[in-house]
Amino acid sequence: DTGVSQDPRHKITKRGQNVTFRCDPISEHNRLYWYRQTLGQGPEFLTYFQNEAQLEKSRLLSDRFSAERPKGSFSTLEIQRTEQGDSAMYLCASSSLQAQETQYFGPGTRLLVL
Amino acid sequence: DQQVKQNSPSLSVQEGRISILNCDYTNSMFDYFLWYKKYPAEGPTFLISISSIKDKNEDGRFTVFLNKSAKHLSLHIVPSQPGDSAVYFCAASPEGYGQNFVFGPGTRLSVLP
Repeated sequence: DTGVSQDPRHKITKRGQNVTFRCDPISEHNRLYWYRQTLGQGPEFLTYFQNEAQLEKSRLLSDRFSAERPKGSFSTLEIQRTEQGDSAMYLCASSSLQAQETQYFGPGTRLLVL
Repeated sequence: DQQVKQNSPSLSVQEGRISILNCDYTNSMFDYFLWYKKYPAEGPTFLISISSIKDKNEDGRFTVFLNKSAKHLSLHIVPSQPGDSAVYFCAASPEGYGQNFVFGPGTRLSVLP
């Protein structure tokens, strides 16, 4: 399977703990996006990378959130000191340089903060 | 303040009939629009898109119509099939602005056999 993959698929944590999610984009895609989706809503943009450079961050991305894409391939999203309001589905997507208008999504990581 | 609205949370259609899903937007800077389909436990899957220079785009059973003056777009599925049952998201982007899409809340389509 050469689609976007995300790990883990599910994460349950206690409030105050740190969590890290990983996204592996489609191999030739140079853009990588993170979104958050809560129940009954569409995905909300968090941040995106072009190769290893983080080019844009939403105001939704508080200072407890940090994303990296160190070698321009996979990306990690870390949430520090998790809060119950962080419970959501975290989606990763990627797009190619030739077709940047079409994003391909991974299956998501569902986070539950107790 | 939702910039992309899908006012019907759900829609039920008989197999073989037409499904029409609607989407309204408020930001006049949006000029590229997409529809995504999402099955449970999967990420959204790209379905069809349209640029503001067009008013219609067709791909097989799926057609998207854009009315810029009304800031309205719609997705038509003809004929509808049970496998089309999913949540459909409308998304919009100001072209060239990093393609960080703004998604609507989704419409759950149920196609009844």
